[in-house]
Amino acid sequence: GAVVSQHPSWVICKSGTSVKIECRSLDFQATTMFWYRQFPKQSLMLMATSNEGSKATYEQGVEKDKFLINHASLTLSTLTVTSAHPEDSSFYICSARAGRGRAQYFGPGTRLLVL
Amino acid sequence: AQSVTQPDIHITVSEGASLELRCNYSYGATPYLFWYVQSPGQGLQLLLKYFSGDTLVQGIKGFEAEFKRSQSSFNLRKPSVHWSDAAEYFCAVGAGGTSYGKLTFGQGTILTVHP
Repeated sequence: GAVVSQHPSWVICKSGTSVKIECRSLDFQATTMFWYRQFPKQSLMLMATSNEGSKATYEQGVEKDKFLINHASLTLSTLTVTSAHPEDSSFYICSARAGRGRAQYFGPGTRLLVL
Repeated sequence: AQSVTQPDIHITVSEGASLELRCNYSYGATPYLFWYVQSPGQGLQLLLKYFSGDTLVQGIKGFEAEFKRSQSSFNLRKPSVHWSDAAEYFCAVGAGGTSYGKLTFGQGTILTVHP
């Protein structure tokens, strides 16, 4: 079946540094990818929609200058958390939509801890 | 705006007992509905989905769900629970068209299975 990977699976960083998270569709082309955030003991919240070759669309309340999203190819989207702070510590999960179809696949997630 | 409510935060059942996890949604049109399962520290696995047609949907691992438009519900059921089913379960609703893939998740229900 279709596979979506994320790298790294977990990262610890100091406050003020930037962290890049990659989301790759391994065996299909993903024209659209989605980034979700999940705080401990909470549900997933959609942060942004990433379309290949165009600017990401951010959900209300999500700072686009803090969470930079790049979808440079049909198999890769990156989320960069700039100047990370402890409150950005969370579980970040991406999902990828295969073309114009209804199939959607989630990555395994990236756990970010900002000290 | 669409929303999902999972009334039960935590459910405990005995192995071999039947299970029903509740999900109520709010959406202006015919919704796309999903159930996902998440093991600790892991990503999401799709159990089943409803787009249209037969309101009783069969999924993986012996799960099924029934879409009831009159009750705005999409409850997940399993006739006999296995210890390996212990996890957190998320109900989600999504839109169609160009917004397909943008999911709104419920708060999740943690399932504990006693031997």
